Amino acid sequence: NAGVTQTPKFRVLKTGQSMTLLCAQDMNHEYMYWYRQDPGMGLRLIHYSVGEGTTAKGEVPDGYNVSRLKKQNFLLGLESAAPSQTSVYFCASSYSRSPLHFGNGTRLTVT
Amino acid sequence: GQQVMQIPQYQHVQEGEDFTTYCNSSTTLSNIQWYKQRPGGHPVFLIQLVKSGEVKKQKRLTFQFGEAKKNSSLHITATQTTDVGTYFCAGTSGSRLTFGEGTQLTVNP
Repeated sequence: NAGVTQTPKFRVLKTGQSMTLLCAQDMNHEYMYWYRQDPGMGLRLIHYSVGEGTTAKGEVPDGYNVSRLKKQNFLLGLESAAPSQTSVYFCASSYSRSPLHFGNGTRLTVT
Repeated sequence: GQQVMQIPQYQHVQEGEDFTTYCNSSTTLSNIQWYKQRPGGHPVFLIQLVKSGEVKKQKRLTFQFGEAKKNSSLHITATQTTDVGTYFCAGTSGSRLTFGEGTQLTVNP
């Protein structure tokens, strides 16, 4: 019973490099989300998706892109990483507006 | 836009003392959710409140939703070391769910 799985768990990038974070859920949830968590700032929504093939911007979308080609997967891309993107990234999923199920997080450092 | 503010940001207590965190929204909420995040972990859903004035209990935890549906509180009676972590509220207004900044609780044994 995996729930929400994020890969990788840790990553170090140099400024300007690109990477993709993968989120997979096995609960058949329609909604998926990407959040970033920074000290003292809680969880801020980057992008979200209400179904396969759809994505929408959250509070802090700049510098990120997402894709939801399959219902169970939600990818977060950084095309040109910046030090300001150093953070812990959490993926979450839910049925409609029901409570969120979070993954274990990805700790990203950009040097 | 919608804002959800949570106080205090930090709380240190001795084991056995009570603890309360408060959540205030700038807009009326359709529901409020509470999550707990253990150090190094991910947020885990605790409870959802929907009705005006609603009170729910989970063992030593008591959750309240204000009459105006703009504020909420979480109260822990007789804290234990297992209560350590950050407690987040998250309020839904329209189609948007907004998290508070969280209250980090430490418990001294």
